[in-house]
Amino acid sequence: GNSVTQMEGPVTLSEEAFLTINCTYTATGYPSLFWYVQYPGEGLQLLLKATKADDKGSNKGFEATYRKETTSFHLEKGSVQVSDSAVYFCALSAQNQAGTALIFGKGTTLSVSS
Amino acid sequence: GAVVSQHPSRVICKSGTSVKIECRSLDFQATTMFWYRQFPKKSLMLMATSNEGSKATYEQGVEKDKFLINHASLTLSTLTVTSAHPEDSSFYICSARASMDRAIEAFFGQGTRLTVV
Repeated sequence: GNSVTQMEGPVTLSEEAFLTINCTYTATGYPSLFWYVQYPGEGLQLLLKATKADDKGSNKGFEATYRKETTSFHLEKGSVQVSDSAVYFCALSAQNQAGTALIFGKGTTLSVSS
Repeated sequence: GAVVSQHPSRVICKSGTSVKIECRSLDFQATTMFWYRQFPKKSLMLMATSNEGSKATYEQGVEKDKFLINHASLTLSTLTVTSAHPEDSSFYICSARASMDRAIEAFFGQGTRLTVV
């Protein structure tokens, strides 16, 4: 079946530190991969996406590369800010009975201190 | 990005009553809508996928008679929790997509915090 596994949090970093949040997936076929972010008190927002192998998604300094050989889509940022504190969800879009659906990982809470 | 409006944001109801949650796509036509349930410190669990004009497809373990989903138009889907019980208390989130293309992102509502007392 389709599933997403991401590292458990919370991740606590100081401002300007390097961030990596690991994400691996299991899927039939060729899914699209996404990172969503949920800021405190807000809904989920798309952070970045990649639709095929070796694609790199990037936004707001965050990057993730679709690695088919390792079935991974790790999220990275070179220098985090306090405003990056949020919950990050890795997700894949794959076929289900009704067409396609987003399947999420459990989320990783990031806390950045100044 | 596109806007998905979910209403109400919070609701408290008595055990045994029914609650309806609305999800509207405000500036696009949503061919597909999804309903998720988010448990504390846990991920979003997909409950059902709804394509406009057809019956919702429920994930394994989700009671279709308890969680009634209607997607009668391209901009509105509703989730009705029937005969709610305290264990149904949770955060429910809807999501809408303008296409069935798996590469197209989905947009999310703000969520509804349901508390059953």
